[in-house]
Amino acid sequence: DTEVTQTPKHLVMGMTNKKSLKCEQHMGHRAMYWYKQKAKKPPELMFVYSYEKLSINESVPSRFSPECPNSSLLNLHLHALQPEDSALYLCASSQAGSVTDTQYFGPGTRLTVL
Amino acid sequence: GQSLEQPSEVTAVEGAIVQINCTYQTSGFYGLSWYQQHDGGAPTFLSYNALDGLEETGRFSSFLSRSDSYGYLLLQELQMKDSASYFCAVRSSSGGYQKVTFGTGTKLQVIP
Repeated sequence: DTEVTQTPKHLVMGMTNKKSLKCEQHMGHRAMYWYKQKAKKPPELMFVYSYEKLSINESVPSRFSPECPNSSLLNLHLHALQPEDSALYLCASSQAGSVTDTQYFGPGTRLTVL
Repeated sequence: GQSLEQPSEVTAVEGAIVQINCTYQTSGFYGLSWYQQHDGGAPTFLSYNALDGLEETGRFSSFLSRSDSYGYLLLQELQMKDSASYFCAVRSSSGGYQKVTFGTGTKLQVIP
């Protein structure tokens, strides 16, 4: 199984809402990532978890709160977002410490903030 | 800081060969990857170079020159389905961990 799944596929939320994005993988990968991608732009790294511990936070605003409950799951909790946060949110995983660090991406959650 | 530069768009004819270049500036460099992303889809891994030279995987090849901070992706026998965006991505060290930074992306259009 080389699949990373993400739910929901689409999400529309108001600026006062609280919502969560979910990501799951069963490849035994111990590194998991959240990226944000705006239209016609490259993915931008937000967070990296290594062995369920947050290892990299790319100065992301606190209205985005990541959580890694176990080695297969990664969540991104959203609160008080702004319209400019509308984007495709991609989750990825990789085998920590591998030579190539190949990242496997999920299909993404397309988020619209009204 | 880090920067990666790629041409924004490339157009090539079906069956031809196309080369997509990537120049980078980074500290703590480990290697250079290439990813393909179709419109509306997720990035998918194509290749990785840690050492200088050419890596070949089927119709796709990737080259790295660490001394020139330069790499390229070569696509041969182009097919219509190769129309997509292609990103180079640098793997580098950050605070004792490794992270991946994506280039600006090249939109490849294959025409009949």
